[in-house]
Amino acid sequence: ELKVEQNPLFLSMQEGKNYTIYCNYSTTSDRLYWYRQDPGKSLESLFVLLSNGAVKQEGRLMASLDTKARLSTLHITAAVHDLSATYFCAVGKTLWNNNNDMRFGAGTRLTVKP
Amino acid sequence: DSGVTQTPKHLITATGQRVTLRCSPRSGDLSVYWYQQSLDQGLQFLIQYYNGEERAKGNILERFSAQQFPDLHSELNLSSLELGDSALYFCASSVAGRDFQETQYFGPGTRLLVL
Repeated sequence: ELKVEQNPLFLSMQEGKNYTIYCNYSTTSDRLYWYRQDPGKSLESLFVLLSNGAVKQEGRLMASLDTKARLSTLHITAAVHDLSATYFCAVGKTLWNNNNDMRFGAGTRLTVKP
Repeated sequence: DSGVTQTPKHLITATGQRVTLRCSPRSGDLSVYWYQQSLDQGLQFLIQYYNGEERAKGNILERFSAQQFPDLHSELNLSSLELGDSALYFCASSVAGRDFQETQYFGPGTRLLVL
C-alpha cells in the first residue's frame, strides 16, 4: 500500500533562515507533487517531479526527488513571511487498471516569524 | 484567481440526502479532477475526467459519482450522505490529461456539511 510520510508536521522559522521539509513514501511511484495551501484557501500546485534526480525551483522554494530513497525534499531558502502556509506532498502511481493511486502527506504547517 | 469556478461555495444538508457539486474548468482545459479534504482523512484524490470520459479513479466511494459534460464542466454527485462526508471538495483542471504530469489549477472549493 502506498503511504506518504511528511515531516515535520509543524515548522516555525525565523525570516531569513533555511529549512527543509521531507516527504518519504513507501513504494515505487510515477510522480511526486508539492502543493501549498493558505489558511481557509484552496490548493496551489507548486511542483510536479517525474524522474529520479529531478530538481525544480521557483523563487525561494526548491524541490528534489530521489526515487531510489523514495524521498522528496522541499527546501526553503531565506524564508519570508509570505511563505507561511501548509505544504503538502503527494505521490501518484498509475495502476494496471488505469486507476490512479494518489496519496497525500499530512501536510507541514509552516510559520515564518519576523 | 485560478480560473476554475465551483458552486456552491457552501452546502448544508442532512444525512441520507443527495447533493450535486459543480465545477467549471479554466477555458481550454480538458481535464477535471475532484479531491476531498476532511479532518479525518486528509486530502484524497477522487476521480479524473478528460474530455468527457472518465480517465482515472482514486478513492471514490460507490455512493459518489461524477460526470463531465460536452461543455467540459463537471459535476460530482454525492448520495446517501453520511456525517463523515462533511469535507471540502475541490476540483482542479489541467490542459490535457497526460497521466497527471501537468500543473493542476484548483478551484476555491465547496464546503459540505452533513448534519
